[in-house]
This record gives sequence, structure tokens and C-alpha cells, in this order.
Amino acid sequence: GESVGLHLPTLSVQEGDNSIINCAYSNSASDYFIWYKQESGKGPQFIIDIRSNMDKRQGQRVTVLLNKTVKHLSLQIAATQPGDSAVYFCAENGTGGYNKLIFGAGTRLAVHP
Amino acid sequence: EPEVTQTPSHQVTQMGQEVILRCVPISNHLYFYWYRQILGQKVEFLVSFYNNEISEKSEIFDDQFSVERPDGSNFTLKIRSTKLEDSAMYFCASRPRDREADTQYFGPGTRLTVL
Repeated sequence: GESVGLHLPTLSVQEGDNSIINCAYSNSASDYFIWYKQESGKGPQFIIDIRSNMDKRQGQRVTVLLNKTVKHLSLQIAATQPGDSAVYFCAENGTGGYNKLIFGAGTRLAVHP
Repeated sequence: EPEVTQTPSHQVTQMGQEVILRCVPISNHLYFYWYRQILGQKVEFLVSFYNNEISEKSEIFDDQFSVERPDGSNFTLKIRSTKLEDSAMYFCASRPRDREADTQYFGPGTRLTVL
């Protein structure tokens, strides 16, 4: 069946360090992946996305890496700041034509001063 | 910057009552979605809507649920007879029609509490 999972439920980092959040997906037919950030009481906020024809994509302070061989996705946050504290979800688009998103369980990132 | 809006932010209802959750998607978007998130759990897909009809729905989206786009701006989710287990955050999302623009943009959510 379709599923997306995460390796670590909670990640604690020091302010200024780099963070790496990991995600495993099971549907090899998925061709689009997204990372969302969710702060308490708010909706998922788009961070960065990547298509399956790419291995890496960079944004502002964030990088997403896609390893299709092992079906692994990661989000790297450079110079983590207190404002980065949130729950991070990876999601894949599944195989449906209308691109429903299948979310992983989420990783809580806690940034300590 | 345009964003998805949802009302109300919090809805409290008695079991068995009908509720309607409202969403205003981003104006030039053509695909609309409802998701839910039970407290502490992951976000789950409920239904997608395109061209005034349901395009896909999950097992959660049973006969008690319905969606409607009554006018050119609103997108609603109705739960006909709420159950305790319907208590969750409900998120509306939308995306453009462009095949290259798969990103779904989410609203802030409606917290539904069924007593």
C-alpha cells in the first residue's frame, strides 16, 4: 500500500547548527515530494518540493535531497533558528491523477539557544 | 500574497449534529482538497474536487461527508451527523491547474470538537 514514514519523531538541535530531517517513502510511482512545516495551531506551510527527475533542490537555507534507489527523502536546514521549531512533514503525491498528498507521521524539530 | 482562508477557526458541536466547514481557496486555483488531522497524528487526505465534482475520496469520506462549491469562491465540507471520532483539525487546500504546479497550499484549519 501507499505510505510515507519518518525515521525520527523528535529532533533537538542547537541554534546555528544544521538540521537534517529524514523521510522514507514506499510508493516508487510517486513523482513529486513536498516538505511542509506546521507550527502549533496552524496549517501546513509549504517549504520546498522536488520532482523525481531531480536528486537535489535548494531553497533559502533549505535543501531537499531525494534518493530514489532507497526511496529516501531528507530536508536539510542550514543555521537552524528558533523560528524553525515546528513539526515537519514530508508528503508524496501518490499515484492518483489529482495529486492527493500522502503525509508522513511528522518530525518535531526543537531548536535550543 | 494570496492564501487559503477557513471559517470558523473552532467549531464545537454535539454528537449527531450537522456541521459545515467553510473554505475560500486561492482565487485562480482549480483543484480543491479537504484533509483532516486528528490530534497528534499525521495529516490524512479526505477528498479532492475538480470541475465541480469529486475526483477522489478516501475511505474516511463516507456517506456522512459531502463537499460543495456553491459559488465561485467558497468550498465547503459538510458532516451530516457528527461522531465523537470526527473531532480533528480540518484543512482545506488548493492548487492551480498547471501540471507543473503540484504544490497544494493549505488554509489555517478549523478545529472541530464533537461533544
